[in-house]
Amino acid sequence: DGGITQSPKYLFRKEGQNVTLSCEQNLNHDAMYWYRQDPGQGLRLIYYSQIVNDFQKGDIAEGYSVSREKKESFPLTVTSAQKNPTAFYLCASSEGHNRGETQYFGPGTRLLVL
Amino acid sequence: AQKITQTQPGMFVQEKEAVTLDCTYDTSDQSYGLFWYKQPSSGEMIFLIYQGSYDEQNATEGRYSLNFQKARKSANLVISASQLGDSAMYFCAMKDPANQAGTALIFGKGTTLSVSS
Repeated sequence: DGGITQSPKYLFRKEGQNVTLSCEQNLNHDAMYWYRQDPGQGLRLIYYSQIVNDFQKGDIAEGYSVSREKKESFPLTVTSAQKNPTAFYLCASSEGHNRGETQYFGPGTRLLVL
Repeated sequence: AQKITQTQPGMFVQEKEAVTLDCTYDTSDQSYGLFWYKQPSSGEMIFLIYQGSYDEQNATEGRYSLNFQKARKSANLVISASQLGDSAMYFCAMKDPANQAGTALIFGKGTTLSVSS
């Protein structure tokens, strides 16, 4: 079945540690996105990529990094510079980037700081 | 800057009744797209319905319809014949190719819908 997978489902981070969240899609979508959701809030954009080997910062990119070496993969690294990383992280993809193209989401990763 | 406002933190409805979830938006562009997503307690975001700014008809998808009033900049979601499984958080979102973040979605803060039997 086509879809978006994220792993792990839960992730624990120690102080000063970098952690990487995985996002894979087999929908052959060009565009991929990372969002952060805090309790009781909407989603905020961290990074997005419209094509392989290219990505752009979103509204809250500080303390995060990404790569897009393959079309189907868009991993997110939460660095030690991100001082408040506890949140729910959602990855999404869309076929392109026109206004009518729907973004489809993965199941999310919950990141907790120990 | 674009902005999405959902003024109802929580809504309560009985099974089989219809419910309207409010969404207003702010944009200076003429071409934009509006989306509604459902987020159950499991956390995944489920796409429900889309409305383009140039679409003349209100969008419908099964029990979901979008009451689009362009002049008032509102895009309310109507759920007909509510079911227990509709209990979830609902987000209104907008995509505007002209915004600085490209074509990512801008989300409202959501409305929690509770359906009772």
